[in-house]
Amino acid sequence: NAGVTQTPKFRVLKTGQSMTLLCAQDMNHEYMYWYRQDPGMGLRLIHYSVGEGTTAKGEVPDGYNVSRLKKQNFLLGLESAAPSQTSVYFCASSSLTEENTEAFFGQGTRLTVV
Amino acid sequence: DAKTTQPPSMDCAEGRAANLPCNHSTISGNEYVYWYRQIHSQGPQYIIHGLKNNETNEMASLIITEDRKSSTLILPHATLRDTAVYYCIVRGFSGNTGKLIFGQGTTLQVKP
Repeated sequence: NAGVTQTPKFRVLKTGQSMTLLCAQDMNHEYMYWYRQDPGMGLRLIHYSVGEGTTAKGEVPDGYNVSRLKKQNFLLGLESAAPSQTSVYFCASSSLTEENTEAFFGQGTRLTVV
Repeated sequence: DAKTTQPPSMDCAEGRAANLPCNHSTISGNEYVYWYRQIHSQGPQYIIHGLKNNETNEMASLIITEDRKSSTLILPHATLRDTAVYYCIVRGFSGNTGKLIFGQGTTLQVKP
C-alpha cells in the first residue's frame, strides 16, 4: 500500500517554464489537496478537490491550475513558473466520512524556480 | 472554517507530559478539531481528532473544553522524537468541503 505518492521529488525550473506535479493515491479517497510550504511557514492550501471531475480554489490559487480527471490522481500545473513559486509542495488525500477523515500526506516536491 | 490560535513555540523536558493549547473560539457545531504534526520537512502526520468528547489514542490525548472554544493536545511522555511543529486545525464537512486549513502551528522542542 503506497499511500500518497508525489512525482517528482525535486525539480529546478527556469522562470517562464511550465510543469505538472502529479499526486497519486491508492486509498480510494474522495478528497485531495495541494499545499505549498515556504521556509519557516505553515502549509497553505492552493487547490483542492472533493471528487473526480471537481476542483476548488484554496487560499493561494493564483498561478496554479489543477485537474482531477481520475479519482486517484490530482495534478497541479504551473503554466509560467515564477521565482515566487519556489517552495515545497505537498499533496494530501482523505476520505469523505466524518468518522474516518485522517488525511494522508505525500513526502513533498521541492521546487526551485531560477 | 474557524480559525485557530496557537503559541508559536514551547519547550518540554524529555519524559514529561507536553500540553499544547489551541484556541478556536469561532468553532461551529459541526466542526471537528484535528491535530497534525510535521517533523522536520516531512509531510504532516495525523495525530488525533475530536468533536465534543475527549479522545485518546496510542499517540496522544485530546481534551476539548465544554464550550468547545479551546482544546489541549497532551503527549503523555514526550521523547526527543516528538520534537516537531504541531498544528491544530478546525475542519467542517458541511457542503462537502472538508478543507484542511493550516495555521502557523506550535514548534515543540523536547529537551534531554
